[in-house]
Amino acid sequence: DAGVIQSPRHEVTEMGQEVTLRCKPISGHNSLFWYRQTMMRGLELLIYFNNNVPIDDSGMPEDRFSAKMPNASFSTLKIQPSEPRDSAVYFCASRPTSGTGLIEQYFGPGTRLTVT
Amino acid sequence: GDSVTQMEGPVTLSEEAFLTINCTYTATGYPSLFWYVQYPGEGLQLLLKATKADDKGSNKGFEATYRKETTSFHLEKGSVQVSDSAVYFCALSDQTGANNLFFGTGTRLTVIP
Repeated sequence: DAGVIQSPRHEVTEMGQEVTLRCKPISGHNSLFWYRQTMMRGLELLIYFNNNVPIDDSGMPEDRFSAKMPNASFSTLKIQPSEPRDSAVYFCASRPTSGTGLIEQYFGPGTRLTVT
Repeated sequence: GDSVTQMEGPVTLSEEAFLTINCTYTATGYPSLFWYVQYPGEGLQLLLKATKADDKGSNKGFEATYRKETTSFHLEKGSVQVSDSAVYFCALSDQTGANNLFFGTGTRLTVIP
């Protein structure tokens, strides 16, 4: 299995630009999570989906952030407009189908975002 | 609410030294507990887990025992290697149907030859 795939691995953009981060979860996993990691705040859960439906987006910092999951194999996290304080590593994670007893999450390699 | 308190780092050890990274938790009910490891430039990887009291999770020489009486899940390894240098995160699953994870702040371990 290829694991969770994220793209791009690195993104450098200017303040005010739109940024789109992409994630392909592990096939067969029905839950997907977006996290942000910074030195100051550590690992923060932004939003998670169950069966493609957003369940809890209370961690999304502002309306500038939005996430979608149009199908079971693809999700996006968009920031529009981006600001320097959005600079962080963004991780996507997926979890096996509920009812299997497996609740650990599998993380992608992350996207390092730098907003100048 | 549910939370995890993790030993602050950084921790620097010589190769073959004994490692302990402390982790305590606050939760209602009986959460599952996890240790994740993050190697430089990579995402988090599950290192080990325990799903009920007195369970011991183990992997790659690392161990942690779920202690309900002390609400702890300390990570230990008898002899660390340079390749163990990474950031270690303690986490618990919440007890709602969501089973989401609450992570500690992470502990950076550096092992020197």
